Amino acid sequence: AQSVTQLDSHVSVSEGTPVLLRCNYSSSYSPSLFWYVQHPNKGLQLLLKYTSAATLVKGINGFEAEFKKSETSFHLTKPSAHMSDAAEYFCVVKTTSGTYKYIFGTGTRLKVLA
Amino acid sequence: GAVVSQHPSWVICKSGTSVKIECRSLDFQATTMFWYRQFPKQSLMLMATSNEGSKATYEQGVEKDKFLINHASLTLSTLTVTSAHPEDSSFYICSAAVAAHNEQFFGPGTRLTVL
Repeated sequence: AQSVTQLDSHVSVSEGTPVLLRCNYSSSYSPSLFWYVQHPNKGLQLLLKYTSAATLVKGINGFEAEFKKSETSFHLTKPSAHMSDAAEYFCVVKTTSGTYKYIFGTGTRLKVLA
Repeated sequence: GAVVSQHPSWVICKSGTSVKIECRSLDFQATTMFWYRQFPKQSLMLMATSNEGSKATYEQGVEKDKFLINHASLTLSTLTVTSAHPEDSSFYICSAAVAAHNEQFFGPGTRLTVL
């Protein structure tokens, strides 16, 4: 079965420092992977997605993620954190067996310190 | 483009009553819609997958008689929580997808509180 594991439930960074949110996936096939952000009392927003094209994926708001098959990872990074980045981040895998569906990781809450 | 709406955005009801939540894709036709449940400070849990004109596929542990899903058209899916109880209080989120696009588009969610 396909799944994702978010390795950190909480991450705190200082404003202006790099952000790293870790996600490992499990899949027998080449997966489709996504990162979503959820701000308090707001809907989910797609940051970026990997669909078997370039392994380095650039998303919105300066975020990017690199698909590493050898490490089964899809970590989300940003060079410089902004206060507005404080939110919940979800790594998601799209299943490919049978009827497709999307499986969410447990989420990582990012806190940005002034 | 790719806007999904949910109605109502929040609802409070008495225990034992039923509540219907609508999910609409406003500017595209969705072949598949997904219903999720999110408890406070937790992740989204997929409840069911619905395809237009066919019965919904429920995830393990989700009572299909409790959470009735209807996907009558390519732009509308409804979730009815029947005989709601306080433990059904949660944030319910729908998403809509087009098979050709490798992406789902989320609605803003509906907060249900059962007294």
